[in-house]
Amino acid sequence: AQSVTQLGSHVSVSEGALVLLRCNYSSSVPPYLFWYVQYPNQGLQLLLKYTSAATLVKGINGFEAEFKKSETSFHLTKPSAHMSDAAEYFCAVMFTGGGNKLTFGTGTQLKVEL
Amino acid sequence: GAGVSQSPRYKVAKRGQDVALRCDPISGHVSLFWYQQALGQGPEFLTYFQNEAQLDKSGLPSDRFFAERPEGSVSTLKIQRTQQEDSAVYLCASSLRGRLGETQYFGPGTRLLVL
Repeated sequence: AQSVTQLGSHVSVSEGALVLLRCNYSSSVPPYLFWYVQYPNQGLQLLLKYTSAATLVKGINGFEAEFKKSETSFHLTKPSAHMSDAAEYFCAVMFTGGGNKLTFGTGTQLKVEL
Repeated sequence: GAGVSQSPRYKVAKRGQDVALRCDPISGHVSLFWYQQALGQGPEFLTYFQNEAQLDKSGLPSDRFFAERPEGSVSTLKIQRTQQEDSAVYLCASSLRGRLGETQYFGPGTRLLVL
């Protein structure tokens, strides 16, 4: 079955440290991949997406993600965390043949400490 | 430009009441999606419209849930005889053409609490 998994429901980093949020998908055909951020009481905001062009995708606010087909992964990174990055992050997948609905992971809550 | 808007932002209903949730997509966006987000979970797909046509309603959890988009713009999600398990945030999203890989833009959501 097609699915998306986010490892780690809570991640805590120090301000200035590397942020790494993990996302893996299960599909025989590479899907379209998205990372969204959700701040409290707000909707989802697109950070970046992979649509079969470059495997390293740069997004807003200094985030980037790399699509690795061999590992079926699309991990989100940021070299230096800022306090304003504290939020919930969702990996979402649009599976080929599944219509254009998004299938979301369960989310990772990022905490940034001084 | 205006993004996706939803109303009401918060709704408290007594069990058994009917509720209607409204979504105004980005002007000109052909596709509209509804998702349900339970507390501590990721959003889950409910239904999808292309213009006024409801092309996929496979995610609607029961026949108490009904969605419409009669003129291909504003959409309403109706829940009849609400139950406590319906308590969630209901998110609406729109995309320009509804093509595979296209970005979906989300509204702020309606938080529904059923007592």
